[in-house]
Amino acid sequence: DTAVSQTPKYLVTQMGNDKSIKCEQNLGHDTMYWYKQDSKKFLKIMFSYNNKELIINETVPNRFSPKSPDKAHLNLHINSLELGDSAVYFCASSRQARVQGRDTQYFGPGTRLTVL
Amino acid sequence: GENVEQHPSTLSVQEGDSAVIKCTYSDSASNYFPWYKQELGKRPQLIIDIRSNVGEKKDQRIAVTLNKTAKHFSLHITETQPEDSAVYFCAALKYSTLTFGKGTMLLVSP
Repeated sequence: DTAVSQTPKYLVTQMGNDKSIKCEQNLGHDTMYWYKQDSKKFLKIMFSYNNKELIINETVPNRFSPKSPDKAHLNLHINSLELGDSAVYFCASSRQARVQGRDTQYFGPGTRLTVL
Repeated sequence: GENVEQHPSTLSVQEGDSAVIKCTYSDSASNYFPWYKQELGKRPQLIIDIRSNVGEKKDQRIAVTLNKTAKHFSLHITETQPEDSAVYFCAALKYSTLTFGKGTMLLVSP
């Protein structure tokens, strides 16, 4: 039933490794987002792309690099993973950012990243 | 940037009671206020939203009110049911950035 999908659902890895999380939406939306939800459930925006163009880049370490090969995909690559990167990462999409009535965001199922 | 405060952090009610969750925001440029429900291990799901040109919106047992002057908005759930138990997040949208409150864990006891 989900129109925003993420893979993998769970990711367990060692410190120092590099990993990627993939996100795809089949809603025809132009804007996609990455959020991080920490252990206290706080949801915080990391990045946003509108039609493959970066429009939001919050203060995150440059070890995190989003990549949008096309407007239906927004992948998150993380280099040199650290313990503090452990969290649930959610992808989301909206029809169009900055356009009233088209800016409602729909979330993917999340990827639980555990760094050992 | 925008700052969203949400209260209470936890809320326990008996089935059938009403539940109210309150949020305040800091930036008057914010113009869209969604509410999300997140069940354990699941994604945040939009349950209701309100735009800055509207003061109140209702959808069955759920209603949201917005006071732009005071910069606060509230979620009201009537006739609560055990399946309403979840974490609820308010959020405020300014331009493209959605800022979330820290969440309210609602527990509805049968």
